[in-house]
Amino acid sequence: EVQLVASGGGLVQPGRSLRLSCVASGFTFSTYAMSWVRQAPGKGLEWVSAISASGGSTYYADSVKGRVTISRGNSKNSLYLQMSNLRAEDTAIYYCAKFRGSGGPRAAFDIWGQGTKVTVSS
Amino acid sequence: EVVLTQSPATLSLSPGERATLSCRASQSVSSSLAWYQHKPGQAPRLLIYDASNRATGIPARFSGSGSGTDFTLTISSLEPGDFAVYYCQQHSTWPTFGQGTRLEIK
Repeated sequence: EVQLVASGGGLVQPGRSLRLSCVASGFTFSTYAMSWVRQAPGKGLEWVSAISASGGSTYYADSVKGRVTISRGNSKNSLYLQMSNLRAEDTAIYYCAKFRGSGGPRAAFDIWGQGTKVTVSS
Repeated sequence: EVVLTQSPATLSLSPGERATLSCRASQSVSSSLAWYQHKPGQAPRLLIYDASNRATGIPARFSGSGSGTDFTLTISSLEPGDFAVYYCQQHSTWPTFGQGTRLEIK
């Protein structure tokens, strides 16, 4: 079964850091670009970051640039999002998602994880 | 940034009726548009990619059309499980999503 399982969310104080993880199964992880997408409470979906299949290229939304780092471990079928200097507006459910096809990080998202909730509050 | 505007914000229909959801882009995205279904507590589900191609396992009652700046998702005959929030997403440039259309039971 093709699956993405995200973890690492929780309650964190403003200004602190958090690392999200996502483990993939059921497909050849190392051949697909991957991404993180979030949904703040009562809001729509917002793309956060993407990484190429090899990990050699990374991309960030302006809203998180300089505060988050996306990475991957292809030998572990894992995707990561290191978030620092967290703000209240980073409160959201964070989804990991697989880009459809092997054409890189400009495609539809065909597989989504169930999401991990991040709450930034003192 | 490409801004996607979905309409209507909320659509109230009954099972068996036809649903028509719209998505307009602030600039041309060619056919680089996808549609997702999102239910509370679940992961979003890809329905349509490249404007008109159904994703794997998606029933034929879901169809997408359009190109350039104007796109439509049509659900030909609503079933109870179709009531959810629907998002469009463009991938001509870095991904952006519309604000969503809530499809609710009338």
